[in-house]
Amino acid sequence: AQSVTQPDIHITVSEGASLELRCNYSYGATPYLFWYVQSPGQGLQLLLKYFSGDTLVQGIKGFEAEFKRSQSSFNLRKPSVHWSDAAEYFCAVAGNAGKSTFGDGTTLTVKP
Amino acid sequence: DTGVSQDPRHKITKRGQNVTFRCDPISEHNRLYWYRQTLGQGPEFLTYFQNEAQLEKSRLLSDRFSAERPKGSFSTLEIQRTEQGDSAMYLCASSTATGPPQPQHFGDGTRLSIL
Repeated sequence: AQSVTQPDIHITVSEGASLELRCNYSYGATPYLFWYVQSPGQGLQLLLKYFSGDTLVQGIKGFEAEFKRSQSSFNLRKPSVHWSDAAEYFCAVAGNAGKSTFGDGTTLTVKP
Repeated sequence: DTGVSQDPRHKITKRGQNVTFRCDPISEHNRLYWYRQTLGQGPEFLTYFQNEAQLEKSRLLSDRFSAERPKGSFSTLEIQRTEQGDSAMYLCASSTATGPPQPQHFGDGTRLSIL
């Protein structure tokens, strides 16, 4: 069975500081991995995806993520956080049918 | 691309009542998914359709829940005899079904509150 663990429930960073959100997955075959962002009262928006190939993938809003098969990880990074990045972030793994399993999310707070 | 729309955005009802939610996917997307999200958790898969066929249902989906997607366009999710534990955000998502699993496009959800 596929599963996703996001070890950090809540992270606080100062505006302009770098950010890394952790994601560990469990999946028996080639994983299809995604990061989504959710603002309060809204649906999820895709930040980036990994299917195959280059293990460092670029996404929208200056985010990137690195796939590490040996560590079963797909951590999200951003070099300089903006106040508008405050939101909840979800990592997900999808099987062949596209059905996604999500982690429980990491809430990002940005300090001025 | 008008996005995925869900209606209503909020629903408040008394325990024991039936409720129905609607989802209109992106028009060219043939896959449609329903998820449930409770506070502090990620979305949990409920069911999905490819065109009008319901291909998978989660064990979370009790017999009080039913979903349809007539003609492979919009979908409805009905909950009968609602219970307190049904209070949650119900999210709909859609995607294409070509090649590897495609990113899902989410609606803004329907928040259900059971009094």
